[in-house]
Amino acid sequence: QLQLQESGPGLVKPSETLSLTCTVSGGSIISSIYYWGWIRQPPGKGLEWIGNIFYSGSTYYNPSLKSRVTISIDTSKTQFSLKLSSVTAADTAVYYCARQGSSSAPINAFDIWGQGTMVTVSS
Amino acid sequence: QSVLTQPPSVSAAPGQKVTISCSGSSSNIGNNYVSWYQQLPGTAPKLLIYDNNKRPSGIPDRFSGSKSGTSATLGITGLQTGDEADYYCGTWDSSLSAEVFGGGTKLAVL
Repeated sequence: QLQLQESGPGLVKPSETLSLTCTVSGGSIISSIYYWGWIRQPPGKGLEWIGNIFYSGSTYYNPSLKSRVTISIDTSKTQFSLKLSSVTAADTAVYYCARQGSSSAPINAFDIWGQGTMVTVSS
Repeated sequence: QSVLTQPPSVSAAPGQKVTISCSGSSSNIGNNYVSWYQQLPGTAPKLLIYDNNKRPSGIPDRFSGSKSGTSATLGITGLQTGDEADYYCGTWDSSLSAEVFGGGTKLAVL
């Protein structure tokens, strides 16, 4: 059964870069029908899509975050990563990684989620 | 301000039925599939409905989805206390070129 697990620092200083990794286990990250994505949720607020990556390395970012976001993939380690630069307190949130089916997948949605990791931006 | 509009909260008694609305526009709901997610307190979101009205394996048929024009609706019948959660709608927005979510609706089973 495919599982996703986020990892990374829980505290980041303002103006620095937030770095998280999502490890995929129980299945392959190399797939022509799935994207691998990041979604975040500030405390007490709703969900915000950050971006997705395909196994080939093609990326899709939320325009509102695009200037600060980089998502990369390491198929040999079955991991994909998120980097968010120049963070402020507004970037404090629970960060989730998730699998998203493409239009060719059986389920065209975010069907498998990691448990999430809380990242606080504070000095 | 979310691109998709949901009521902040809904409530109903155990055993009753409730609906949660999700309103958008032609650039999102009107021309793309809608998904619904359930988020129990302190946990990650869980997919309930995809492609407007399909249920993943393991999701009971008490949960249903529908779409009409630029709005979508999640229905839950036979409410249980375990259904108390936040519910989010989501879809692709072709104008923004982004996945978008509603602001979430908190369901109380009184």
